[in-house]
Amino acid sequence: EPEVTQTPSHQVTQMGQEVILRCVPISNHLYFYWYRQILGQKVEFLVSFYNNEISEKSEIFDDQFSVERPDGSNFTLKIRSTKLEDSAMYFCASRGDTVQETQYFGPGTRLLVL
Amino acid sequence: AQSVAQPEDQVNVAEGNPLTVKCTYSVSGNPYLFWYVQYPNRGLQFLLKYITGDNLVKGSYGFEAEFNKSQTSFHLKKPSALVSDSALYFCAVRDWYNAGNMLTFGGGTRLMVKP
Repeated sequence: EPEVTQTPSHQVTQMGQEVILRCVPISNHLYFYWYRQILGQKVEFLVSFYNNEISEKSEIFDDQFSVERPDGSNFTLKIRSTKLEDSAMYFCASRGDTVQETQYFGPGTRLLVL
Repeated sequence: AQSVAQPEDQVNVAEGNPLTVKCTYSVSGNPYLFWYVQYPNRGLQFLLKYITGDNLVKGSYGFEAEFNKSQTSFHLKKPSALVSDSALYFCAVRDWYNAGNMLTFGGGTRLMVKP
């Protein structure tokens, strides 16, 4: 069964450093998402991406964040200058082309900013 | 705006007993409702969804959920709990007209099934 995959599974970085989180969505999916879950808190929407552009973003997704689909298979989330409060589990999700379809989530990347 | 409430942080049930995990929602239009499960150190796994049609939807691992429009609820149920059902359960909603189709999640309910 097709799955969303994410790399790395864990990343530790110093405050102020740039990180890139990578995702490979399910191959025939067209809509891509990033969510995050701070430890002990609810899952929060960050951004949705369709047709090579952002379709919606939350207040969390400020200028420090960017997304890209560089090669037709990968979907990346970049944090330019990490802050302590960026420490969280980051989930990538994808879905097919009809509005009723399910979003399928990857296993997540646990980011720790020191 | 869309929101989800899961009023119970934890639900305890004995193996073999029925379980219910509660969820209520708020959306401007018609809701698309989802349940996901998260096992330790794992991602979110899709269990079931309500889009339209029959109010009782059946999903993976014997779970089902009932959509109640008047009570704006979508409670997750299972007739006979297993120890292996112990996990964190998230209810999520999406308003049908939401262009980006973002999901809004509840805070999660930890289900503990004891032998």
